[in-house]
Amino acid sequence: SQTIHQWPATLVQPVGSPLSLECTVEGTSNPNLYWYRQAAGRGLQLLFYSIGIDQISSEVPQNLSASRPQDRQFILSSKKLLLSDSGFYLCAWTSAPSYEQYFGPGTRLTVT
Amino acid sequence: TQLLEQSPQFLSIQEGENLTVYCNSSSVFSSLQWYRQEPGEGPVLLVTVVTGGEVKKLKRLTFQFGDARKDSSLHITAAQPGDTGLYLCAGNYGGSQGNLIFGKGTKLSVKP
Repeated sequence: SQTIHQWPATLVQPVGSPLSLECTVEGTSNPNLYWYRQAAGRGLQLLFYSIGIDQISSEVPQNLSASRPQDRQFILSSKKLLLSDSGFYLCAWTSAPSYEQYFGPGTRLTVT
Repeated sequence: TQLLEQSPQFLSIQEGENLTVYCNSSSVFSSLQWYRQEPGEGPVLLVTVVTGGEVKKLKRLTFQFGDARKDSSLHITAAQPGDTGLYLCAGNYGGSQGNLIFGKGTKLSVKP
């Protein structure tokens, strides 16, 4: 069966520091991968998606970037965090034909 | 720009009551998914509806997809405290990426 992992679970970082969040998927090949941010327990904002290694699409211009160095690994990064980067970050995967998205447990990021 | 409107945004009811949550759009979706999310965790997929007019049941939860595939509803019968959470609908408007549009969610609280 497929599983998706995210780490760390929680992170407190000062403004201006770098960021690296990691997501890995097991039990599937060539998934589409997604990074979302969720503010205050509400709707999900799509940040990046990837349909393959080194193929990244950005949905929202921002202080963040994403990379996919391996088929089942998706990384969210920042060189310098802003206060507004605080939030709950979720990684998800999907595959054809259903395209149902399955989410990881999330990372709570607090920028101080 | 596709939008999914969910209503109500908040719902607080007593155990044993029935409730309905709505998800509406002006766009046609190839499929629509419902998720439930508990605080500090990732959303969990409840159901996917694909065919216009389709009705799916998951224990006390009944999901319906509108005939025109632009709207959906979630009905809970005899709500229990364990149903408490954030309910999210998400529409797939097609395409090979499998990208979803998420509603802002309905925060349900069921009091014993």
